[in-house]
Amino acid sequence: DIQMTQSPSTLSASVGDRVTITCRASQSIRHWLAWYQQKPGKAPKLLIYKASTLESGVPSRFSGSGSGTEFTLTINSLQPDDFATYYCQQYDGYSYTFGQGTKLEIK
Amino acid sequence: EVQLVQSGAEVKKPGESLKISCETSGYNFPNYWIAWVRQIPGKGLEWMGSIYPGGSETRYSPPFQGQFTISDDRSVSTAYLQWNTLKASDTAMYYCARPLPYSPNAFDIWGQGTMVTVSS
Repeated sequence: DIQMTQSPSTLSASVGDRVTITCRASQSIRHWLAWYQQKPGKAPKLLIYKASTLESGVPSRFSGSGSGTEFTLTINSLQPDDFATYYCQQYDGYSYTFGQGTKLEIK
Repeated sequence: EVQLVQSGAEVKKPGESLKISCETSGYNFPNYWIAWVRQIPGKGLEWMGSIYPGGSETRYSPPFQGQFTISDDRSVSTAYLQWNTLKASDTAMYYCARPLPYSPNAFDIWGQGTMVTVSS
């Protein structure tokens, strides 16, 4: 099975900061990677798919990059609404794996 | 509008059975896989398995294999997650999710979640 490792587990930042979250796959997943945002008590929300494609309606301050085994989610100019937990997910084949999550906290 | 509406919260005792549902609307149900995702309180997301109503094909995550059954009813555009014998460790929030077209793909539509509590 493909394992996904996210880092860091927790990230403290301030409004207006630029932050980057990294996700590594245990083997190549080409570009079959998604990023989700989850707030307490809510279902996850898709932000990015196919490593770098922004889901409709998602602000352009979110961006994704990478291929193969290493991927990043970047959030430019953090807004108060962005403080949440972020998950990566691979979908190379009919087996899905999520990263363990990165909690983005207000500094 | 595409929607996935899940059944309500459940409180069960160990050893009991349970079937929760994910009612879909706004799209052609047979054409898309439906996935089930578990989230233990305070923990991350885990894909449990998926079903393709168009062919009644199912796929299960190896760690979860044999612990539950995923099914569907095309006549009511609904997917189900069923346990025959619940354990305390099944306590979690369960989400159904639909991927973007052309699976496998990211999950763009999610249900609101069903909280299952198993306690004696």
